[in-house]
Amino acid sequence: EAGVAQSPRYKIIEKRQSVAFWCNPISGHATLYWYQQILGQGPKLLIQFQNNGVVDDSQLPKDRFSAERLKGVDSTLKIQPAKLEDSAVYLCASSLGSSDNEQFFGPGTRLTVL
Amino acid sequence: GESVGLHLPTLSVQEGDNSIINCAYSNSASDYFIWYKQESGKGPQFIIDIRSNMDKRQGQRVTVLLNKTVKHLSLQIAATQPGDSAVYFCAENTGGFKTIFGAGTRLFVKA
Repeated sequence: EAGVAQSPRYKIIEKRQSVAFWCNPISGHATLYWYQQILGQGPKLLIQFQNNGVVDDSQLPKDRFSAERLKGVDSTLKIQPAKLEDSAVYLCASSLGSSDNEQFFGPGTRLTVL
Repeated sequence: GESVGLHLPTLSVQEGDNSIINCAYSNSASDYFIWYKQESGKGPQFIIDIRSNMDKRQGQRVTVLLNKTVKHLSLQIAATQPGDSAVYFCAENTGGFKTIFGAGTRLFVKA
């Protein structure tokens, strides 16, 4: 079975620029997650979707971050404008049901903001 | 606030020995706990999970112990192999909502 796909794998931008990340979850998985992982730390949940609805976005900096999952499958995460502290790996994960089920992670997108 | 933390940031063990990675959690309402392994350049990989109605769960070479009285979680890896070298995260979940990860422990396996 194909895993969670993410693109791009790496991105370098300057502060105040915009960037978007794409995620394709495992087929049939209802729940999709975006995490931010700063170097040396554990992943931090940014947003959780159940199908195309938002379950939790309490830690998403909504003044600059946005995410959507319009058709309940693929998802995009956007940062506009980026700040230096946004440099991190952005991980997408999916699970069959809610988050008390095994989450499958993609390889992540490493973002560097200069 | 809620937090999940680890007692030891780095653990070094000899190949063939057993490894024990510890984790403390602060939310007594958490009912689902997971251990993940993360290798360099990859996303976290599920190892084993345990629900709050259990004290112990075993997998292949791994055992998770849950002590709800002191809010402590541990991961035991039997006969540690070089391929086990990675960063290990514990995570907690409450009612199927937000999963909170700890800071991680780096495991080094010496050949």
